[in-house]
Amino acid sequence: DAGVIQSPRHEVTEMGQEVTLRCKPISGHNSLFWYRQTMMRGLELLIYFNNNVPIDDSGMPEDRFSAKMPNASFSTLKIQPSEPRDSAVYFCASTLEGAGELFFGEGSRLTVL
Amino acid sequence: QKEVEQDPGPLSVPEGAIVSLNCTYSNSAFQYFMWYRQYSRKGPELLMYTYSSGNKEDGRFTAQVDKSSKYISLFIRDSQPSDSATYLCAMRRNGDYKLSFGAGTTVTVRA
Repeated sequence: DAGVIQSPRHEVTEMGQEVTLRCKPISGHNSLFWYRQTMMRGLELLIYFNNNVPIDDSGMPEDRFSAKMPNASFSTLKIQPSEPRDSAVYFCASTLEGAGELFFGEGSRLTVL
Repeated sequence: QKEVEQDPGPLSVPEGAIVSLNCTYSNSAFQYFMWYRQYSRKGPELLMYTYSSGNKEDGRFTAQVDKSSKYISLFIRDSQPSDSATYLCAMRRNGDYKLSFGAGTTVTVRA
């Protein structure tokens, strides 16, 4: 079975540009999470969807960040406008139930110049 | 103070040594304790999963939870170069979707 699929794997952009990260969860999983990982702060939960509905977005840093899940097989995380401090690895993870085993994608490494 | 504390290391050991990793936590409501392994440039993958206190063994890996001390450990016996990775502890309350992660400990096993 395919795992969680993220794209792009690497993104280099300039400050002020829009960035869109994409995620395809494991088929049949009804819970999706976006995490951000940095050396300074470790893994931080940004947003949690259950059955395509955002349940907890308290970790989204500010209004520049938005996330959508239009259907069970696709989610996006958008940063507009991007800033150098957004540079991090962004992970998408899914699970069968919200409190079940998390399966992570390979991450999208974002560098904002 | 962070909810979960984990020494980031790095830790370097010779092949065949026992690797000992640990985390402390402050929230006594945590019931589920996990260890994730993260290889370089990859996503974390679940290694061990323990409910409440006690020990759990899986091959060369042993996870221990001491809820009275709010302390969890992971031991890797007969360590191999392929065990070189970052190990993150994680924990959550019963029924909660939110995981609290440690900072991760980077381990290198030298051949």
